[in-house]
Amino acid sequence: QKEVEQDPGPLSVPEGAIVSLNCTYSNSAFQYFMWYRQYSRKGPELLMYTYSSGNKEDGRFTAQVDKSSKYISLFIRDSQPSDSATYLCAMKMSGDSTLTFGKGTMLLVSP
Amino acid sequence: DAGITQSPRHKVTETGTPVTLRCHQTENHRYMYWYRQDPGHGLRLIHYSYGVKDTDKGEVSDGYSVSRSKTEDFLLTLESATSSQTSVYFCAINQGRDQETQYFGPGTRLLVL
Repeated sequence: QKEVEQDPGPLSVPEGAIVSLNCTYSNSAFQYFMWYRQYSRKGPELLMYTYSSGNKEDGRFTAQVDKSSKYISLFIRDSQPSDSATYLCAMKMSGDSTLTFGKGTMLLVSP
Repeated sequence: DAGITQSPRHKVTETGTPVTLRCHQTENHRYMYWYRQDPGHGLRLIHYSYGVKDTDKGEVSDGYSVSRSKTEDFLLTLESATSSQTSVYFCAINQGRDQETQYFGPGTRLLVL
């Protein structure tokens, strides 16, 4: 089974807020975890990529993976209006050729 | 950045007509993918290819066929388009040191009347 659950939102926050985006999954075989950002009428672009458990930080963005809880998170600090987009989580099993995507969460950051 | 182009970028067609979408890449990536994206459904894999003439089905392959006669081109064909195939279609390739992530093209918006 490859289900990935993600709240569709929209999630509305004021500029400067800390944003938490989350996905849960059921397949414990997932080893690779990704976050994609998709602006309106554009293709998804890779934002963060994590292998197995732990944290990864890149500027204002932090990705967390908790494999014991089957839960991944993306935190955005000091959110900006330019962060307004849909955020998709994606996962992959080792040796698999395909990704399993969540349905995406729409984020709206107001000035 | 990997170079992916999709053509056409927009298309309007009528029910029952054949439609072919093209994905072109310039960096000899082995794996190429076709997705469709619809409100409420997210990204869904249609077909993918792991080499010239090597393809496999995704979760929503019914009504679609693909061909890959050369490394750089991956074609998606709707043999007889239906209104339910109105969607945004994205092509993707594997990327990264371990080829574990995917890089997406700009998309093709298809409207079937």
